[in-house]
This record gives sequence, C-alpha cells and structure tokens, in this order.
Amino acid sequence: GAVVSQHPSWVICKSGTSVKIECRSLDFQATTMFWYRQFPKQSLMLMATSNEGSKATYEQGVEKDKFLINHASLTLSTLTVTSAHPEDSSFYICSARVDRHNNEQFFGPGTRLTVL
Amino acid sequence: DAKTTQPPSMDCAEGRAANLPCNHSTISGNEYVYWYRQIHSQGPQYIIHGLKNNETNEMASLIITEDRKSSTLILPHATLRDTAVYYCIVRTQAGTALIFGKGTTLSVSS
Repeated sequence: GAVVSQHPSWVICKSGTSVKIECRSLDFQATTMFWYRQFPKQSLMLMATSNEGSKATYEQGVEKDKFLINHASLTLSTLTVTSAHPEDSSFYICSARVDRHNNEQFFGPGTRLTVL
Repeated sequence: DAKTTQPPSMDCAEGRAANLPCNHSTISGNEYVYWYRQIHSQGPQYIIHGLKNNETNEMASLIITEDRKSSTLILPHATLRDTAVYYCIVRTQAGTALIFGKGTTLSVSS
C-alpha cells in the first residue's frame, strides 16, 4: 500500500525558533499533499493544501506567513512553523493524495511539536 | 461535502462485532462514504469506502442504506487493538481534502 512518512516524529523547541517538518510519499508520487493540525482531544483540522510546483492553499484562519509550506518535488512537502510559540504546540499530520484511481489519501504518522 | 453525524462514543466487548453508525442525510449522488480510524497519537488509517453497494475488505464491512442517508461500519470480531476514534466522512472522489468531524471513540474491552 501507499506509505507516507514524516520527520521528525517529535520535536521540542524554544519559543521564537523555527521548526521544519517533512512529509514524504515513499512509494508513489503525490502532486497534492495536505497538512492537518490536531490539538489534544480534538479532531484533525485541515491547515492547507500543498500542490507540487505551486503555492499552497491555506484554510481560513491559518497564517500563511507563519506556516510556510513548500512542495518542491512529487514526493516531498515541508511545513515550517516560523517563530514558534507555545500555542503552536500540537500534533501535525500530513497526508498525500495518490495520483491514480480513486484519489485516495494516505496519512503520515504525525509529528508532535512542543514549544517551550 | 455533506455533513455526517456519529455518536461520540461506543463500547464493545472483545471478540464481539462492533457496529458503528453514521448519518449523512444530505449526501448527494456523487458522494462516497469513507471510514478512517485514528489510534491514539498516530495518523489516521483508511478502513473502507463505498458509494451505494455494501463493501467488505479484510478490515471491515460497510453497509449503506438504500436511500444512502446512513451507513454502518462493522468490525466483525473486535480486538483491543481496534480501540480508536472512527471517522465517517462523505466526499466526492475529486481529490479534495478529507474533512474530519468529531468521530466515534470506540473502546474495546476484555
């Protein structure tokens, strides 16, 4: 099946620093990837849609200058949380859409970000 | 995409069938019913999806009513490892992002 990886699986950083999270499709090409955020005991919230070779589309209320998304290849999208603050602490999950039948989405294992 | 309604929680005894309901009364003709689950602190896992016919795979069965306004996910022999949040999502196959509701927290106990 389609495998999506994320790196790192967890990260702790100081307030004010930037953190980059990678999302890779390991055995398929994905022109479209999605980034979600999940706070404790809540559901996944879509942050943005990442398209290879073009600018990401952000959901309402998500700051594009704070959450920088780069989708430079068909197998890699990155999310950079700039000037992170404690309220950015969350579980960040990416998914990749399979560019063949059914347009299925497969999810990465998530990245736990803790900002001190 | 149509909205779905699920019970917030359900309990199931290990080895018994778990039947998780989902209402999607505003579903349109080209929308599919998808089921995902999320085990604690992991990414969501695809389970099954269907349009109008009942579907079965190695993980579960999906029963969709004839009017397509509701469906039931069936885990035939629940195990402790099936404890998770189960999400029922309705969407077209156009490739837009999956939008998650609150889901049903299934607790399987021995």
